[in-house]
Amino acid sequence: DAGVIQSPRHEVTEMGQEVTLRCKPISGHDYLFWYRQTMMRGLELLIYFNNNVPIDDSGMPEDRFSAKMPNASFSTLKIQPSEPRDSAVYFCASSRILQGGVAETSIYFGEGSWLTVV
Amino acid sequence: QKEVEQNSGPLSVPEGAIASLNCTYSDRGSQSFFWYRQYSGKSPELIMFIYSNGDKEDGRFTAQLNKASQYVSLLIRDSQPSDSATYLCAVKGRNFNKFYFGSGTKLNVKP
Repeated sequence: DAGVIQSPRHEVTEMGQEVTLRCKPISGHDYLFWYRQTMMRGLELLIYFNNNVPIDDSGMPEDRFSAKMPNASFSTLKIQPSEPRDSAVYFCASSRILQGGVAETSIYFGEGSWLTVV
Repeated sequence: QKEVEQNSGPLSVPEGAIASLNCTYSDRGSQSFFWYRQYSGKSPELIMFIYSNGDKEDGRFTAQLNKASQYVSLLIRDSQPSDSATYLCAVKGRNFNKFYFGSGTKLNVKP
């Protein structure tokens, strides 16, 4: 089975430019997460979706960040304008609820998008 | 207070020894607990999960949970150099899919 697919894997951009990160979750998974990882702050949950609807975006650092999930197989995380402090690895992850509504499942990560803003 | 706390390490153990990794969490309502392994430059991968108090064994790995003490641990028996990685503790809170991650403990297994 294909895992979570993210693109681009690496991006270097100049401060002020718009950055768009993309994610395809595992087929059949109805939860999608965006995490950011830095040495200083570790893994931070930015936002998550359930059935394409944003449920909790309290981790989105500021208005420069936005995320969308137009359908069950695609999500984007956009940073506009980008700043050097946004340099990090951005992970997309997905999970699902098992039959019967038992929410005992873990989340599975993509390989990450390594963003450098100079 | 962070939701999940881990000692950042590094924890160094000789090959063949038992490595013990620890984690504490703040929300008593937390329901499920996970250990992820992350190699340098890679994404986290799930090793084990545990829901009930006590021990859960899977090969060389044993997860231990003590809800009264809000404490989770991971034991790695017969440690191998290939176990050298950062180990992340994750806790799923009362809200189904609110996963909180610790900052990770770096493990070095010396040949």
